[in-house]
Amino acid sequence: KAGVTQTPRYLIKTRGQQVTLSCSPISGHRSVSWYQQTPGQGLQFLFEYFSETQRNKGNFPGRFSGRQFSNSRSEMNVSTLELGDSALYLCASSFGANNEQFFGPGTRLTVL
Amino acid sequence: SQQGEEDPQALSIQEGENATMNCSYKTSINNLQWYRQNSGRGLVHLILIRSNEREKHSGRLRVTLDTSKKSSSLLITASRAADTASYFCATKGSGAGSYQLTFGKGTKLSVIP
Repeated sequence: KAGVTQTPRYLIKTRGQQVTLSCSPISGHRSVSWYQQTPGQGLQFLFEYFSETQRNKGNFPGRFSGRQFSNSRSEMNVSTLELGDSALYLCASSFGANNEQFFGPGTRLTVL
Repeated sequence: SQQGEEDPQALSIQEGENATMNCSYKTSINNLQWYRQNSGRGLVHLILIRSNEREKHSGRLRVTLDTSKKSSSLLITASRAADTASYFCATKGSGAGSYQLTFGKGTKLSVIP
C-alpha cells in the first residue's frame, strides 16, 4: 500500500505571497491532519479533516486554511506569507480518530 | 501547546547498548504513539499503545504506559547506528472532539558505531 505523499517537497517563496501544499492520504484513510514543525515551537497541529469536513483547528491565524476533497486528498493554503511561516509542513492520514497516524515526507517551505 | 515532554532531550550511546526514552503528559489520553524522525524528514510511526494497555513490543522496541503517572517509556534494545534519529511521543486525547496528536519536543538519540 502506498504511503502518504506530499507535494511539492520543497518551496521557496517571498513574503506576502501565498502557497498551496497538497497531501494524498493512504488509500482507504478518510482522516487527514496537518502539522507545522519548526525548531522553536516543535510540532504543532494545524487542522484535521474527515469526509471533507474540518473537525478541529489548531491555534493558527486565519491565513492558514485547508480543505479536503471527496477522494480524501487534502490541500492547505497559507496566504500573505511571513518569515515565521518557514517550516516543515507535515500531513498525516489515519483510518479513524483513534488509530495510528501515518505521516508523509513533508513539504519544506522557506519564506524569504 | 506541548503536552508530552520527553526526557532526556539528548542521549548518546554506543552501538549495541540499550536506549531508554521517557515521555510525560498532562491530560487523559486514548492512546500514545511513538515516532522517529531522521534529520528533518517525515515522521516514521513506531508503535501505538492504548490507554488500557501497559506494555507493547515491536521487534527491538518495547513501550510501556503508566496512566496513573501519565508517563510512557520507549526502550530500544541492541541499538544500531541506523537508530540515530529524534524520537517523539504523541498523545491522542480521550475527550470528545479530540482528533489531533499533541507532540513533545523529542529526544535526540545518537548511536556511536
